Amino acid sequence: DAGVIQSPRHEVTEMGQEVTLRCKPISGHDYLFWYRQTMMRGLELLIYFNNNVPIDDSGMPEDRFSAKMPNASFSTLKIQPSEPRDSAVYFCASSGSSNYGYTFGSGTRLTVV
Amino acid sequence: GIQVEQSPPDLILQEGANSTLRCNFSDSVNNLQWFHQNPWGQLINLFYIPSGTKQNGRLSATTVATERYSLLYISSSQTTDSGVYFCAVATGGFKTIFGAGTRLFVKA
Repeated sequence: DAGVIQSPRHEVTEMGQEVTLRCKPISGHDYLFWYRQTMMRGLELLIYFNNNVPIDDSGMPEDRFSAKMPNASFSTLKIQPSEPRDSAVYFCASSGSSNYGYTFGSGTRLTVV
Repeated sequence: GIQVEQSPPDLILQEGANSTLRCNFSDSVNNLQWFHQNPWGQLINLFYIPSGTKQNGRLSATTVATERYSLLYISSSQTTDSGVYFCAVATGGFKTIFGAGTRLFVKA
């Protein structure tokens, strides 16, 4: 298995632009998580899905953030409009019900200028 | 919400030394994991260990759920062990919260 795949690896965008981050979980995993990592706040859970359904989005910072999981093999995290304070590394992770250990993707480093 | 405290915050070891990292949590958990974030930023799952003891090579972990702590043991440390070690817990479901981490540097 190729693991959890995220794209792009790096994204630099201007304030006000829309940003879309993508994630492909491990095949057969039914949980998918989006985390954000910053120096100030550490690793924060933004949202997680079970069987493509959002279960808890209480960590989504504001309405500018949205996440979807249209099928078992794909999820997106969208920021519209982006702001400089959104600059961070965004991680996607997946997990299966039979083994609850998380597998993380390599992350997307987002810079908003 | 649940509080997760990791200690020490920073640790410097000579190659070959042993170390113990600690994770204290403030509530009962149904999920506890240890991760290593290497210097390139990759997060690697080391253990899923809500209770009991597990070993994987030079690493082992013990969680005493009734006393709300977990320990990660690193024996015969190597320079490749450098990075940040995170403890992550969930009290129910999958809302997993990460501690602030222990930053480890192993000197050659």
